[in-house]
Amino acid sequence: RKEVEQDPGPFNVPEGATVAFNCTYSNSASQSFFWYRQDCRKEPKLLMSVYSSGNEDGRFTAQLNRASQYISLLIRDSKLSDSATYLCVVNIKGGNTPLVFGKGTRLSVIA
Amino acid sequence: GAVVSQHPSWVICKSGTSVKIECRSLDFQATTMFWYRQFPKQSLMLMATSNEGSKATYEQGVEKDKFLINHASLTLSTLTVTSAHPEDSSFYICSAGGQGDGKLFFGSGTQLSVL
Repeated sequence: RKEVEQDPGPFNVPEGATVAFNCTYSNSASQSFFWYRQDCRKEPKLLMSVYSSGNEDGRFTAQLNRASQYISLLIRDSKLSDSATYLCVVNIKGGNTPLVFGKGTRLSVIA
Repeated sequence: GAVVSQHPSWVICKSGTSVKIECRSLDFQATTMFWYRQFPKQSLMLMATSNEGSKATYEQGVEKDKFLINHASLTLSTLTVTSAHPEDSSFYICSAGGQGDGKLFFGSGTQLSVL
């Protein structure tokens, strides 16, 4: 079983749509969780951290369910500029240790 | 936020040559840096952990004699792909944290194409 698994995608949605991404992780001892965004042939950029209490940043809402080892990202009112690959990312050991990346889900927002 | 600089962005080289990629932390000291590789439509895969002043730690399946890592200072780590072959063509990305909160900051990546 892969350490981090995501929806395979791609997701093609019209502008203004709401889209949800799901992710599961295998190591129950994982310490911290993130969503990164990656544009084609660019480095990943941190979108937001994910907490059990849920957190929101504008149109983006992330949620962590430790019991089911499940992470989600919700994007409301999609913009063309949201088109990218969204990476579910886990830091298993915590602190300054490597991140483990999901394969990513490609989102295309269409006018 | 913290900035990580990676150079070069693109490299095209002939098979058999060696390529050096530099990764610098610009506004913080990084005792540890991480090198990842990403093939098309695949996830980032950790290659090795670069430790300042000591030997790098390589992931299973990554040849340490082929991918030489040097972390001689708190702000610079280098990855040298020795005797490059076409199958080494990939997107190489370095990263560093340093704040202890689990977040990593990434260099802009190096697209290596070996002919």
